[in-house]
Amino acid sequence: GALVYQYPRRTICKSGTSMRMECQAVGFQATSVAWYRQSPQKTFELIALSTVNSAIKYEQNFTQEKFPISHPNLSFSSMTVLNAYLEDRGLYLCGAREVGGYAEQFFGPGTRLTVL
Amino acid sequence: QQQVRQSPQSLTVWEGETAILNCSYENSAFDYFPWYQQFPGEGPALLISILSVSNKKEDGRFTIFFNKREKKLSLHIADSQPGDSATYFCAASEGQQGTGSKLSFGKGAKLTVSP
Repeated sequence: GALVYQYPRRTICKSGTSMRMECQAVGFQATSVAWYRQSPQKTFELIALSTVNSAIKYEQNFTQEKFPISHPNLSFSSMTVLNAYLEDRGLYLCGAREVGGYAEQFFGPGTRLTVL
Repeated sequence: QQQVRQSPQSLTVWEGETAILNCSYENSAFDYFPWYQQFPGEGPALLISILSVSNKKEDGRFTIFFNKREKKLSLHIADSQPGDSATYFCAASEGQQGTGSKLSFGKGAKLTVSP
């Protein structure tokens, strides 16, 4: 079956520092990877949508300068939160979609970021 | 602007009852509607989905009823079990075969099934 792994599951960083999180698709080829942030109130915010062989599209209020994303192949993506502050806290979710199929998006367990 | 709305925000049912979670949307171009189930500390898991060409989709105890004209859909969980207690998210996107299309999520509905 389709599985998405995320690493690390939890991380704590000091205010002003950066941290990198990874997303691995297993059992399918992830043509597109969407990175979301889920707030403590459970609301989903789409950060960016990355499609292989296309430019990464960032949503309003999110920039490449703050959340650089790498999507080098059909099974792996990473995102870094640069210069993290309190408002960056939350659960960062990676959602991956299969090549050529319908729009099913499979999520990983998320990386929970705490900023001190 | 919230493109996908869910109601109620929380629901409590007794074990064995049918839980009904509602969802409505604004964008007429939405044609794919997945429901996700999320347990505390975990990521959302795809539960069941429907395309706008259908008005009903069943998978075991889970059924989606879809009304395109009214831009509404609902998730029915029959014979609810305590293990179904979770937060359920309705989502929508347009261009169901487009890998570049993004999902819009509702704010979720917390379901509690009491034994």
